[in-house]
Amino acid sequence: EPEVTQTPSHQVTQMGQEVILRCVPISNHLYFYWYRQILGQKVEFLVSFYNNEISEKSEIFDDQFSVERPDGSNFTLKIRSTKLEDSAMYFCASSRDRGLDRGANVLTFGAGSRLTVL
Amino acid sequence: AQSVTQLDSHVSVSEGTPVLLRCNYSSSYSPSLFWYVQHPNKGLQLLLKYTSAATLVKGINGFEAEFKKSETSFHLTKPSAHMSDAAEYFCVVSDPLKYGNKLVFGAGTILRVKS
Repeated sequence: EPEVTQTPSHQVTQMGQEVILRCVPISNHLYFYWYRQILGQKVEFLVSFYNNEISEKSEIFDDQFSVERPDGSNFTLKIRSTKLEDSAMYFCASSRDRGLDRGANVLTFGAGSRLTVL
Repeated sequence: AQSVTQLDSHVSVSEGTPVLLRCNYSSSYSPSLFWYVQHPNKGLQLLLKYTSAATLVKGINGFEAEFKKSETSFHLTKPSAHMSDAAEYFCVVSDPLKYGNKLVFGAGTILRVKS
C-alpha cells in the first residue's frame, strides 16, 4: 500500500536554528499538508499546498514557517528560527482530491517527525 | 463548544470484550467524519469514514461507527477487542463550510487491551 514517508523521524536542535522536515507524498496525490501535535495537545492543521502554492494556512503558520516542493517528489517544511514551543510531532499528509468535494478529503498521513528544541 | 470532543482520554478493556470509543462533534449541516488510529511509531491510519451515505459505517479490523445526527455523535465500536487494537484513536471532522479545507481532530483516546 502506498505510504507517505517522512524524514527525519526525530530531530533535536538548538533554539534559533533552522530546521527542515522532509516528506515524500504518495506519487499520484496532488494536495499536501502539514499538521502538528504538541505533546499532550490535539493534532492541529498548519498548512495545505496545491499547484505549488499555499492554499490555506492556520494562524500558527507565521513567517517563521515555509513550505516548498523543490522537486517532483519531496515536500518540505522549514522552520527558520526554532523556538522552544515549536517542539512537537509534525505530520505530513497528502490526498488525491480536494477537501471541498463531498467525501473526497481522505488524507494519508506519514509516521511523523518529532522535533525537540532545546 | 469544542469542535470534536472525545469523551474519554483513556479506555481499558479486556481482550475479547466490546470496545466503545465516544466522539461528539460540532459542525454545519453535512460534515464528513473519520476515525484514525495511531500505533506507536506509525503514521495516522484511516479506520473508517462517514460521508453522508449509510449512517452505519464499517471500517478495517472489525471496527464500526454510527453517525447519529440528532445526538451529534460518531462513536467507534468493535464487538471483540484484540491485543493488536491497543493504540491511540482520533475522531476527526471535515466540514468545509465551518472549518475550511482542513481536518479538525479530537484530543485522542488511548485504548489499552488487557490479556
